[in-house]
Amino acid sequence: EAQVTQNPRYLITVTGKKLTVTCSQNMNHEYMSWYRQDPGLGLRQIYYSMNVEVTDKGDVPEGYKVSRKEKRNFPLILESPSPNQTSLYFCASKPGHFTGANVLTFGAGSRLTVL
Amino acid sequence: AQSVTQPDIHITVSEGASLELRCNYSYGATPYLFWYVQSPGQGLQLLLKYFSGDTLVQGIKGFEAEFKRSQSSFNLRKPSVHWSDAAEYFCAGEGPGTASKLTFGTGTRLQVTL
Repeated sequence: EAQVTQNPRYLITVTGKKLTVTCSQNMNHEYMSWYRQDPGLGLRQIYYSMNVEVTDKGDVPEGYKVSRKEKRNFPLILESPSPNQTSLYFCASKPGHFTGANVLTFGAGSRLTVL
Repeated sequence: AQSVTQPDIHITVSEGASLELRCNYSYGATPYLFWYVQSPGQGLQLLLKYFSGDTLVQGIKGFEAEFKRSQSSFNLRKPSVHWSDAAEYFCAGEGPGTASKLTFGTGTRLQVTL
């Protein structure tokens, strides 16, 4: 089944404790992206990647890092989490070239709480 | 700047009544437009999308949306709402080009009364 898999789905952590949210897709998509969802703000893009070793900032990149060493994986790294990073996170992917059906496929989401 | 606006934060309709959720966009060129639904505690499900062509787009679950260039709108409609339609709805836009990002509106929460 074509899908985007995120882990963990739920995490409670403490301020300053480094964490990584993994994201993996099995569709051979070039483009991958991370969003965070907050009440009243909708979804905002954190980082995106057009292909392996190519990443760029989205609208709210502060406090986050990403890497794209393999095409299928796009982990989100919080080096020193703070309470304002408590949020619902979504990873998504799509083909890098326009196919006429380019729609982002979203993961199920990762709910992160930073105490 | 590219943006998508959903003017209504919260809407309540009775089951069986018609529904229209508003969405306005601001892009330099005609964007690709999408509607997503998020049920409580769930992820995002694509309802429908508009890339080009016919301005009336049919989606899943009986939803449709109409692209109106003159009004910069892409409103979502359903003739008869079911209680299971209660959810949060997001309109999103993406500029032409594969590097363009998907920009979401702030969402409209739909409540359905029985």
